Amino acid sequence: EIVMTQSPATLSMSPGERATLSCRASQSISSNLAWYQQKPGQAPRLLVHGATTRATGIPARFSGSGSGTEFTLTISSLQSEDFAVYYCQQYKNWPVTFGQGTRLEIK
Amino acid sequence: QVQLVQSGPEVRKPGASVKVSCKASGYTFNSYAISWVRQAPGQGLEYMGWISTYNGNTNYVQKFQGRVTMTTDTSTSTVYMELRSLRSDDTAFYYCGRGIMGATPIDHWGQGSLVTVSS
Repeated sequence: EIVMTQSPATLSMSPGERATLSCRASQSISSNLAWYQQKPGQAPRLLVHGATTRATGIPARFSGSGSGTEFTLTISSLQSEDFAVYYCQQYKNWPVTFGQGTRLEIK
Repeated sequence: QVQLVQSGPEVRKPGASVKVSCKASGYTFNSYAISWVRQAPGQGLEYMGWISTYNGNTNYVQKFQGRVTMTTDTSTSTVYMELRSLRSDDTAFYYCGRGIMGATPIDHWGQGSLVTVSS
């Protein structure tokens, strides 16, 4: 099973700042990586798939990069609605696995 | 618009079973697989498996093999997830989700169904 490790566990930032979230796979997953955002009391929302492709309706301030084992989600200028928990997910190998999440909180 | 509407909260005793439904609308039902993901209170996301709405084929994560059954009813565009031999650590929100290509990534999610297992 591929283990996905996200860092940091918690990220404290201010609105307007640039946020960088990391995700590492225990073995190469090529570009078979997705990022999700989850707010309290809500289902997750797909942000990025294929490591770099924004999902429909996702603002351009969200961007994904990386391939192989190292991936990054960047939020270029944080808005108040971006403070949430973010999960990465690999779908290269069965079973599909998620990272443990990064909580992005207001500083 | 694409919608996945799940059944309401359930309370079960340990050892019992629960069946959660996920009704799809707004797209061609049998063109997209449905996955199930669960989330214990305050915890992360855990993938359970998926079902092809085209032919009913399933693939379950080994952890759930023997305890979970996913089925599909094309006449009502509804997918079901049954979990048996419930334990207290099965208490969680259960989400269904539509896969973009194959089972995942999941581009549309149900609202979640809370299953509470308590004696």
